[in-house]
Amino acid sequence: RKEVEQDPGPFNVPEGATVAFNCTYSNSASQSFFWYRQDCRKEPKLLMSVYSSGNEDGRFTAQLNRASQYISLLIRDSKLSDSATYLCVVNLPGNTPLVFGKGTRLSVIA
Amino acid sequence: NAGVTQTPKFQVLKTGQSMTLQCAQDMNHEYMSWYRQDPGMGLRLIHYSVGAGITDQGEVPNGYNVSRSTTEDFPLRLLSAAPSQTSVYFCASSYSSRSTRDTQYFGPGTRLTVL
Repeated sequence: RKEVEQDPGPFNVPEGATVAFNCTYSNSASQSFFWYRQDCRKEPKLLMSVYSSGNEDGRFTAQLNRASQYISLLIRDSKLSDSATYLCVVNLPGNTPLVFGKGTRLSVIA
Repeated sequence: NAGVTQTPKFQVLKTGQSMTLQCAQDMNHEYMSWYRQDPGMGLRLIHYSVGAGITDQGEVPNGYNVSRSTTEDFPLRLLSAAPSQTSVYFCASSYSSRSTRDTQYFGPGTRLTVL
């Protein structure tokens, strides 16, 4: 089983829709979790960290479910500018590099 | 701060040629890393460094060398380029590899084609 798994999509949604992505991770000792956003032909950038209590940043909500070992990203009121690939990222225990999922592609359509 | 810079932005090589991809950061970050990104494969870690003088292999290190003689610079050397090394290469850095919540900052990438 891969360490971090995501549905590659693409998710094609109309403007204004709500869309949710899930990401599962295999190591139960994983310590921290992030969502990164990558625009076409650009570098990944941090979108938000994911905390145990869940966290919200405007239209974006991230949740962590340790028991089921998944994290989620909810985007409300989708904008055309939300079209991008969303990368799930997990930090394993110890002095180890971050583990990136392959990403979920979102296209928001007018 | 310029952040993480990479040069060149684009490069075309012939099979067997060698070259160095440059990466520099001006944020005094301890941790630096190199990834390659291919369609459908996601980001794959090539090499990383937790500080000056220390490097380690990632998931796909074969055919690549790195060194970290200063905190700022982390060059990636292709020893003898092969068509399988055609990819987009990203360099990244973060303040510390020991902090589990540090943001990784990525450079703009180098698009390499090996003919």
